[in-house]
Amino acid sequence: GQQVMQIPQYQHVQEGEDFTTYCNSSTTLSNIQWYKQRPGGHPVFLIQLVKSGEVKKQKRLTFQFGEAKKNSSLHITATQTTDVGTYFCAGRGGYQKVTFGTGTKLQVIP
Amino acid sequence: DTEVTQTPKHLVMGMTNKKSLKCEQHMGHRAMYWYKQKAKKPPELMFVYSYEKLSINESVPSRFSPECPNSSLLNLHLHALQPEDSALYLCASSQVGRAPGNTIYFGEGSWLTVV
Repeated sequence: GQQVMQIPQYQHVQEGEDFTTYCNSSTTLSNIQWYKQRPGGHPVFLIQLVKSGEVKKQKRLTFQFGEAKKNSSLHITATQTTDVGTYFCAGRGGYQKVTFGTGTKLQVIP
Repeated sequence: DTEVTQTPKHLVMGMTNKKSLKCEQHMGHRAMYWYKQKAKKPPELMFVYSYEKLSINESVPSRFSPECPNSSLLNLHLHALQPEDSALYLCASSQVGRAPGNTIYFGEGSWLTVV
């Protein structure tokens, strides 16, 4: 079945440093979504990428979808303590089936 | 704030109990989902309903029984659970199909503890 891996599993950064998480799928995806989950909370939708090679920005966050639609990345510039949480990619492969990546837990040190 | 509402937020049940988790959305979505999330793990898909019909069952044990009474409601009936079933149960909804914009919206989840 479809597998979606993320690296790194954990990342500790000093506040102000940049952060990147990478997402890789074993199969081609029709689209990819990114979610943020704060400790004790539920996944909150950040963005969806659909087109091959697509790049989208949300303030300090930059999202990319690979040319082959099998990988994606999330880059945060100048991290803040409010960025703390686990970031999941989620790939839509088959009909209505969305598989979550393994997640990257971000800790920001003030 | 989420537009998918789940109740109860917390549930403690014994292994012989029968209980239900409830989910409601009013976004007009015709796909609804149950996910299970264990600590420090990603959400794992359990069931998908499309147009009120069960379309995906990810080989979930029969002690979990989903029900979709109408297009706005989704239930998860629980019976004879095991302690290892303790987890956060997330309900979600989306439009049907692969078209762009089929964002999945999650509820805040129900924290289940089986004792």
